[in-house]
Amino acid sequence: GENVEQHPSTLSVQEGDSAVIKCTYSDSASNYFPWYKQELGKRPQLIIDIRSNVGEKKDQRIAVTLNKTAKHFSLHITETQPEDSAVYFCAASKGNTPLVFGKGTRLSVIA
Amino acid sequence: ETGVTQTPRHLVMGMTNKKSLKCEQHLGHNAMYWYKQSAKKPLELMFVYNFKEQTENNSVPSRFSPECPNSSHLFLHLHTLQPEDSALYLCASSQLDSVGEQYFGPGTRLTVT
Repeated sequence: GENVEQHPSTLSVQEGDSAVIKCTYSDSASNYFPWYKQELGKRPQLIIDIRSNVGEKKDQRIAVTLNKTAKHFSLHITETQPEDSAVYFCAASKGNTPLVFGKGTRLSVIA
Repeated sequence: ETGVTQTPRHLVMGMTNKKSLKCEQHLGHNAMYWYKQSAKKPLELMFVYNFKEQTENNSVPSRFSPECPNSSHLFLHLHTLQPEDSALYLCASSQLDSVGEQYFGPGTRLTVT
């Protein structure tokens, strides 16, 4: 079955700097790669996703890149703000199978 | 509101109690999930239901018993739990026959004393 590895487990950045979180997956048939943000005491919520027919997707300060050959994808957050502090989860699936999540990255943005 | 609701939001129970967690989705999805979230395992998939049929049971102890009476409702029946079962239990739903978002409920914070 699919296995998703996520790094780093914790990340601290200064406000205004960029943050990068990386994930690798094992099943080459996976074709959907979402990223979820979970703020303290709240539910995980989708912030951006990418499908395997696309190499990069951007939404304001966040972007995701996908390298199908290497089987890895990354989340990039630019101009970080204190409200970006949260736990971020990557996931992968083949579309008709449940999402397999990484173990999460705790991002702290220091003002 | 994401369209997935869970009750109760907080639950404290003794090891000999029997309680149930409820989840309801208003999104017309055909798949529902139970996750356990703790410090050790951030998002641990427990059960998957697809069109009311259980399709995954990830080696979950029998003291957790899921029930899915229809595609909109999902229950998790709890009995003789252990203190290590204390965690946040998240319900989620999605449309499994198309690639797309999985929506989470707000979770039930369970404490077993």
